[in-house]
Amino acid sequence: AQKVTQAQTEISVVEKEDVTLDCVYETRDTTYYLFWYKQPPSGELVFLIRRNSFDEQNEISGRYSWNFQKSTSSFNFTITASQVVDSAVYFCALSEAFTGNQFYFGTGTSLTVIP
Amino acid sequence: DGGITQSPKYLFRKEGQNVTLSCEQNLNHDAMYWYRQDPGQGLRLIYYSQIVNDFQKGDIAEGYSVSREKKESFPLTVTSAQKNPTAFYLCASSMYPGGLDSPLHFGNGTRLTVT
Repeated sequence: AQKVTQAQTEISVVEKEDVTLDCVYETRDTTYYLFWYKQPPSGELVFLIRRNSFDEQNEISGRYSWNFQKSTSSFNFTITASQVVDSAVYFCALSEAFTGNQFYFGTGTSLTVIP
Repeated sequence: DGGITQSPKYLFRKEGQNVTLSCEQNLNHDAMYWYRQDPGQGLRLIYYSQIVNDFQKGDIAEGYSVSREKKESFPLTVTSAQKNPTAFYLCASSMYPGGLDSPLHFGNGTRLTVT
């Protein structure tokens, strides 16, 4: 079974629109970490945020915000007032205490921001 | 600047030949990883290493081999036994072994094409 599901394969928005990227995870551990990465066309994955399972506080960083809800096993990512530079593939990832050194990645959501 | 260097960026090989992808990091990270990325499949773990002279198989290790003789270096060899080697390969590192909360830092990737 997929531990991290990103149901949205591709999303297109017009510049300045808000967009939310969904991430649903599955784990039986009580201690785990969730991550979001951005992969621009250059190929390198860039770390955006880490959240641990004990901290459900939402986080905002500039135009980016993250909504972590344990009740629905979701860790969604919202970009406000999108810009062309936001065009990239975004990956959600999970690491668990039980499996140690393993990171589980979703299949990614390709975001295109149209000028 | 600290980071991960992968070389070459593009690599072309004939079927039946072994090929080695380079990965060097100067972040002083203990753990290093190799991932394979195929369209629509996210990232899949090939091998990882938590300390020098030790490494573990990931989900898709068949047809690949690695070595970790130095902390800074984790080369990946794609052997002729790998049935479908054409892919984008990403090397990553994290600060300490089993570091669930330590985000992965990625290189720029190597795109391997085998014909």
